[in-house]
Amino acid sequence: SYELTQPPSVSVSPGQTASITCSGHKLGEKYACWYQQKPGQSPVAIIYQNNKRPSGIPERFSGSNSGNTATLTISGTQAMDEADYYCQAWDGSTAVFGGGTKLTVL
Amino acid sequence: EVQLVQSGAEVKKPGESLKISCKGSGYSFTHYWIAWVRQMPGKGLEWMGIIYSDDSDTRYSPSFQGQATISADKSISTAYVQWSSLKASDTAMYYCARLRTAGESDMDVWGQGTTVTVSS
Repeated sequence: SYELTQPPSVSVSPGQTASITCSGHKLGEKYACWYQQKPGQSPVAIIYQNNKRPSGIPERFSGSNSGNTATLTISGTQAMDEADYYCQAWDGSTAVFGGGTKLTVL
Repeated sequence: EVQLVQSGAEVKKPGESLKISCKGSGYSFTHYWIAWVRQMPGKGLEWMGIIYSDDSDTRYSPSFQGQATISADKSISTAYVQWSSLKASDTAMYYCARLRTAGESDMDVWGQGTTVTVSS
C-alpha cells in the first residue's frame, strides 16, 4: 500500500520559516494537500492541489511538490501556527494521510 | 453556510452495534463525495472511505474494508458509518469531511467529529 512519510516534529522560532516535508514514491506525479489540526479541533485544509490556498488561509502558507517530496512552507511563522500538520494524497481511489508533523514554535 | 454536523458522542460495550451520522447543509449534498476519517487517541488521521450519496458509490481503504460500513440517505443529506460488533480498538474520534471536487481532491469542509468509546 502507498505510504506518506513526515517527520514527527519540527521546531521553528517565531518569524522564521518552517518547512515540513512529506515523502512518497513518485509523489510529484500526484496532487498533494495539507491540513492543519490544532488540539481539540477538526482538521482544516490549508493547501490543495500542491500549491493552492483555500479562501481565508494566510499567504504565509505555501506548498510545492516534485519528485518524491511535497513540502509545506510557513513563512514568518507565528505562535498561532503551532499545530499538527498532515499531508494527504491519493493512490488510485484510496486516499492516504502522512503520519503527521507536530510544529512547535519556540 | 456550508457545514457538516455529526451526531453526538457514543459510549458502547464490545460487541454492540453502532451507527453515527453526518448531516450536510448549505450545499447540494448529492453533488459531493463524503469521506470518513478515524483518529485514534493521540494518533494521526486515517482515511476510512468515501461515499457519493447520489448513487451510493462507496470506496473503502483496504485497512477498513469489512471493519465498518459506510452508507448515505440522500433524501436527508446524511452519511453514516456503522459497526455491527464494536471492538475496544474502535475507540476513536471519527470525522466526516466533504471532498472539494471529484477525483484527487482534498477535503474542504469537516464535521466537528464524533467520539466513540468502546469499553466494558
